[in-house]
Amino acid sequence: QVQLKESGPGLVAPSQSLSITCTISGFSLTSYGVHWVRQPPGKGLEWLVVIWSDGSTTYNSALKSRLSISKDNSKSQVFLKMNSLQTDDTAMYYCARHLNAMDYWGQGTSVTVSS
Amino acid sequence: DIQMTQTTSSLSASLGDRVTISCSASQGISNYLNWYQQKPDGTVKLLIYYTSSLHSGVPSRFSGSGSGTDYSLTISNLEPEDIATYYCQQYSKLPYTFGGGTKLEIK
Repeated sequence: QVQLKESGPGLVAPSQSLSITCTISGFSLTSYGVHWVRQPPGKGLEWLVVIWSDGSTTYNSALKSRLSISKDNSKSQVFLKMNSLQTDDTAMYYCARHLNAMDYWGQGTSVTVSS
Repeated sequence: DIQMTQTTSSLSASLGDRVTISCSASQGISNYLNWYQQKPDGTVKLLIYYTSSLHSGVPSRFSGSGSGTDYSLTISNLEPEDIATYYCQQYSKLPYTFGGGTKLEIK
């Protein structure tokens, strides 16, 4: 079955960078795109970026200067890197597969920005 | 950016009720509208894509409709497992944007 699982450091110091990984199973990254979406505590969902099956990318322009997405098809992993983190980047970060919509989501990985 | 507005942030209904959740876009989005359900534990699931297409495995009591700037999600015969927050999301223009969510509670 389709599964996505996010993993990350949990705690990041202000001004530092964040690297999180989405490990997928049950489908191939060569056939589907993968999105990253985040949700600050008690708030709504914010779309960040998508990497398509061909490796092309589409970023939320508001965050593009701080974001980088990549993938390793052979390892079934998608990587998100965000630079210069601030406290308002504290959020649950989700990855989601793309088919017509964000059709399957991971459970999310919590990221807290704090010194 | 296209702003998605869910004017009802919380809604209370009884089991068996028919519930409608509304979503409005700041400009026409040509039916490029999806609905998601987020359970209290954070789990997110796709319910409806392209305004009215039911995602695989989603119960038929969920349905979607709308056009132009105004869209809605209807749950007929509300069940206990429908307790969740519901989000609309447009994909007409980048960046993809979500509504603020409607939290559904049992009366």
